[in-house]
Amino acid sequence: DADVTQTPRNRITKTGKRIMLECSQTKGHDRMYWYRQDPGLGLRLIYYSFDVKDINKGEISDGYSVSRQAQAKFSLSLESAIPNQTALYFCATSSRDSGAGQPQHFGDGTRLSIL
Amino acid sequence: AQSVAQPEDQVNVAEGNPLTVKCTYSVSGNPYLFWYVQYPNRGLQFLLKYITGDNLVKGSYGFEAEFNKSQTSFHLKKPSALVSDSALYFCAVRDSRDDKIIFGKGTRLHILP
Repeated sequence: DADVTQTPRNRITKTGKRIMLECSQTKGHDRMYWYRQDPGLGLRLIYYSFDVKDINKGEISDGYSVSRQAQAKFSLSLESAIPNQTALYFCATSSRDSGAGQPQHFGDGTRLSIL
Repeated sequence: AQSVAQPEDQVNVAEGNPLTVKCTYSVSGNPYLFWYVQYPNRGLQFLLKYITGDNLVKGSYGFEAEFNKSQTSFHLKKPSALVSDSALYFCAVRDSRDDKIIFGKGTRLHILP
């Protein structure tokens, strides 16, 4: 079973719709992240959370919101989807840093298309 | 502000030949450096990291990377490429004084049979 699970894996929707992408993890990590991947642009950070009561904006948070429902769950919402939000979205987790630079662990992504 | 650059969009290497995927970085403090690999329809997978210590770091699948402080580089290497190494590779950097990781734009590696 995957340690970081994203649902749905694929979604096609229309402009103006509200969409929620969900992420759950069984790794017991405190830290969770949402990224979007666009061809030629790499990964860009949308939001991140270091614990249930901690939410932080990333590089490109406009048009997005998040909710950390529990340590294991972190959802991303698009309140009113627009076509330029069409992208591949990734959730990632990492353990609390102990000075050793903990790597991130990624889900397999959600491919979102907005028509 | 921290940044990372992968100067090559694509690298082509014949199977059995050595490969290098380039990465340069910029941080204010000490760098934490990472390489990840992405296969089709999958998330990124961690390959290796440099935090401190030996400049040559060994990781998964026979990959290694060399940290060069004076050139601010962290190039990924493998002595003998396999066709199965074909994938998208990302370099990432974190300033030791910050919590966010910045990813490069990725380099697509093609290993030719």
